[in-house]
Amino acid sequence: AQKITQTQPGMFVQEKEAVTLDCTYDTSDPSYGLFWYKQPSSGEMIFLIYQGSYDQQNATEGRYSLNFQKARKSANLVISASQLGDSAMYFCAMRRTSGTYKYIFGTGTRLKVLA
Amino acid sequence: DGGITQSPKYLFRKEGQNVTLSCEQNLNHDAMYWYRQDPGQGLRLIYYSQIVNDFQKGDIAEGYSVSREKKESFPLTVTSAQKNPTAFYLCASSIHSEPASYEQYFGPGTRLTVT
Repeated sequence: AQKITQTQPGMFVQEKEAVTLDCTYDTSDPSYGLFWYKQPSSGEMIFLIYQGSYDQQNATEGRYSLNFQKARKSANLVISASQLGDSAMYFCAMRRTSGTYKYIFGTGTRLKVLA
Repeated sequence: DGGITQSPKYLFRKEGQNVTLSCEQNLNHDAMYWYRQDPGQGLRLIYYSQIVNDFQKGDIAEGYSVSREKKESFPLTVTSAQKNPTAFYLCASSIHSEPASYEQYFGPGTRLTVT
């Protein structure tokens, strides 16, 4: 069965510093996609970054980068130069490329950026 | 502007009443999803549909029902059989095909309170 694990319920980071949010996954599929979403207190889900299982390079999108270690089945999100607006819940998710195309979500990490 | 609309944003109902949550998308996506989110928790899949007139149960389908008569619409009915319906409900859509790089697009959510 597929599973996403986020072991950090909450994190604090000082403004302008970098922070890493952990995500490990379990799947037997050879091909899959990994996603990170941000959920501010308003409740909307905002897509941040995507990593494909066959991608050779780690994904980057502005201040967001994904530290993908396939052998360890980890897909950690790195936020550089944290801003107060980064305070939110962050979810790691996975989608398989065969079968039903369901997305599996982790339980999330609540990030608080301190001024 | 393309996107997903959910209405209403807040919904109040008395226990024992069925209630239908609306979800409409104009992204021309084949797949649509309903998630439930409880305070401080992750997203749990209620139902999903990969094509019109077809849908599958997710992890917590008991007490819920859906229909998919049109590509753009995927309403969710919370029935009186749902024991604990108070929650935040998110609707999402995505392209239903490979590769796995297609992220889900989310609506703004409906916060349902049943008393």
